[in-house]
Amino acid sequence: AQSVTQLGSHVSVSEGALVLLRCNYSSSVPPYLFWYVQYPNQGLQLLLKYTSAATLVKGINGFEAEFKKSETSFHLTKPSAHMSDAAEYFCAVSDRGDDKIIFGKGTRLHILP
Amino acid sequence: KAGVTQTPRYLIKTRGQQVTLSCSPISGHRSVSWYQQTPGQGLQFLFEYFSETQRNKGNFPGRFSGRQFSNSRSEMNVSTLELGDSALYLCASSRDTPRNSPLHFGNGTRLTVT
Repeated sequence: AQSVTQLGSHVSVSEGALVLLRCNYSSSVPPYLFWYVQYPNQGLQLLLKYTSAATLVKGINGFEAEFKKSETSFHLTKPSAHMSDAAEYFCAVSDRGDDKIIFGKGTRLHILP
Repeated sequence: KAGVTQTPRYLIKTRGQQVTLSCSPISGHRSVSWYQQTPGQGLQFLFEYFSETQRNKGNFPGRFSGRQFSNSRSEMNVSTLELGDSALYLCASSRDTPRNSPLHFGNGTRLTVT
């Protein structure tokens, strides 16, 4: 069954530092990949998604993710963290022949002043 | 445009009872997905409906069921509640199949089983 693994349930970075949230998927065929974000007291919203058009995907709020087939990874990055980035981030996957989105367990990002 | 609406926001039930949760998707959205969110397990997929048909089901026991109506509104039902069913239940709608169009999440129904 398709799944994603997010390394680190909590990640802390200083304001202005690089944000790196890790996600690995399990599939021999490149699937659709997503990052969703849940800000405090808000519902989840789509940050970005990969569908094979380009390996580097740009999302909202300065985030981007790179699909690396050789590493089965889809890590999320942002060059400079802002206090408003504090949230929980979920990596998700969908097989190409499937209609369900499977989420990872999430990584809570803390921004240190 | 109104977002995804889930009712009720909070529920307290006792073991053995059953419960029905409701979800009204964004107007024009035909797909509704349900997830169970708990601190230890994150979001776990329950099922997905599209035009009144269940297309996918997660690995939950048969006590968990759902349906979708012709107006795309959806309900999920949990029978014979267990303590472990305590969780935040999230509904998400999308215009088309979830892999092609973004999921829009509601604020959830928090179920507490005592």
